[in-house]
Formats: sequence, C-alpha cells, structure tokens
Amino acid sequence: GDSVTQMEGPVTLSEEAFLTINCTYTATGYPSLFWYVQYPGEGLQLLLKATKADDKGSNKGFEATYRKETTSFHLEKGSVQVSDSAVYFCALVRQGAQKLVFGQGTRLTINP
Amino acid sequence: DTAVSQTPKYLVTQMGNDKSIKCEQNLGHDTMYWYKQDSKKFLKIMFSYNNKELIINETVPNRFSPKSPDKAHLNLHINSLELGDSAVYFCASSQDLIGGTEAFFGQGTRLTVV
Repeated sequence: GDSVTQMEGPVTLSEEAFLTINCTYTATGYPSLFWYVQYPGEGLQLLLKATKADDKGSNKGFEATYRKETTSFHLEKGSVQVSDSAVYFCALVRQGAQKLVFGQGTRLTINP
Repeated sequence: DTAVSQTPKYLVTQMGNDKSIKCEQNLGHDTMYWYKQDSKKFLKIMFSYNNKELIINETVPNRFSPKSPDKAHLNLHINSLELGDSAVYFCASSQDLIGGTEAFFGQGTRLTVV
C-alpha cells in the first residue's frame, strides 16, 4: 500500500541554520506530494506541494523537489527561524485516491 | 471566519461513555474527512464523505459512527469510549484531492478517556 517515511525526530537547530527533513514515499503511479506544518495547538496547514516529477514546491523560504527516480520529497530551508518550530508532515495522495497518507511527522525546534 | 471548525476543542470523559464531536466547513467543499492523531503525532484517516456519502472507512471500530447531515457538516459519534480512543481528532475538508488540491484542517479535538 501507499506509505510515507520521514526522518526520525526530534530535530533541534540553532537559528539561521540550514534545514533538511528527509521524506521518501511508496505509491503506484504519480502521486501528488505535500508538506503540511502543525504549529503548537493548531491544526495542519499546507506548506507546499508538487504534483508531478521534477516540480519544486516553495513557500515561506521552504522548498521541496519531487524526485521520481529516488521517490523523495525532501524539505529544505536555507536559514531557519525560531518561528519555524513546529511538527512537519510529508504526505501523498495517490492518483485517483481521495485520502492523504501522512508520514509520522518530524518535530522541529529552533533555538535562538 | 474559521474555514473548518470543530467543537469541542477539549473533551474529557470516562470509559464507557458516548460522545460526539462536531465539524463544520464554510468553504463550499464537497469532501470532508476525519483523521486521528495518536500520542506520537501519527496521523491516519478514519473516514471520508463526499456530498454526504461515505467513500472511505479505514477499518475503524464500529463504535465510531460518522454522520453527515449536509455537505458542510461531518460529525463523529463514538460509543462505549475506551482508553485507547484518547487522541486528537482532526476534521478536514477539500474540494477533492485529485490533482493536488489542498485539504483544510480544523484545530483538532483532544479527547481524553479516563
């Protein structure tokens, strides 16, 4: 079945550090890929997405590129801020399906 | 205006009780969902409704019964609550998910069964 695997957390970085959160997926066909973010006490919000191979999603300084050959969608940011502290979820929707399949989430803490 | 709203935000109840969580969306979406987030933050779909019709039921115990009176509402009723039901339940909606359409989530309902 469809699945998403993210790097184990928690991840703790200093402000202005470079961030990578790895995400790989298993799905048939060409799924759409997403990163959602959950700030403390809130619901999930879409951070960025990519719907086909080699697409790059970007938002708020975060980027991720849909790599079909490695079935990956790694999240990156060049310089993190304290306000980026949250739980980040990688997710996919298989073609024709009507449900998001989430990875286990990665808790990110940024220290000033 | 809140796009997807759930009530209550917190719910503490004893084992064996029956409780409901309500969800409403004002986005005009056709599809609504219930997700369960466990203590390790893992999110898994429970149900999906499209235009009041159940389209996904992910092997959830039949103590959980979703009800959609109209396409803007999807309520979750839970009978005979168990300790293992303690979790955060998220309601979400989307126009559809095909082609990468965004899903919008409520703030969650933290259910604690004691």
